[in-house]
Amino acid sequence: EAGVTQFPSHSVIEKGQTVTLRCDPISGHDNLYWYRRVMGKEIKFLLHFVKESKQDESGMPNNRFLAERTGGTYSTLKVQPAELEDSGVYFCASSQVTPGELFFGEGSRLTVL
Amino acid sequence: KNQVEQSPQSLIILEGKNCTLQCNYTVSPFSNLRWYKQDTGRGPVSLTIMTFSENTKSNGRYTATLDADTKQSSLHITASQLSDSASYICVVSAQGSWGKLQFGAGTQVVVTP
Repeated sequence: EAGVTQFPSHSVIEKGQTVTLRCDPISGHDNLYWYRRVMGKEIKFLLHFVKESKQDESGMPNNRFLAERTGGTYSTLKVQPAELEDSGVYFCASSQVTPGELFFGEGSRLTVL
Repeated sequence: KNQVEQSPQSLIILEGKNCTLQCNYTVSPFSNLRWYKQDTGRGPVSLTIMTFSENTKSNGRYTATLDADTKQSSLHITASQLSDSASYICVVSAQGSWGKLQFGAGTQVVVTP
């Protein structure tokens, strides 16, 4: 069974540009989460989807970040326009139930120059 | 201030030796505590999950303990192997915020031959 997959694995963009990260959860997992780790800091929660609905988006830093999960399958996280402080590793995770075991993807490393 | 504090920040141990990692948390109301292993460039992988009523849980050579009264947990690695070299992250969630995991900064463990 495939795990959580994220794309791209690494993205390098200039300040002001737009980047879209994609996450494909484990099949059948209704719960999908986005987290990120910025340089030297701990991993922090961004938001939680249950199917296509945003259950908790309290961790989203500002309105430059937009997460979607149309159809309750894969999810995208768009950063527009990107700023230097957005650099970091963005992790996606999924779970079948809450609370339950979360399975993480390998992460998407974003570098904003 | 982070609600999950880990110590030590890093440690080096000889292959075959044991070690213990510490985690203190202030997350409340407590739901569960997880230990994850994260290899460099990979996503976190779950080792153990403990709820309030559990005070010890094992996964192979990994044994986690939880004292919910003092809000402390430990992860003990027995007979370390080179493959144990990784970051070990303590993660706590509050009741009702199932996906909003609070991550510690991790303990970087290096096992040397």
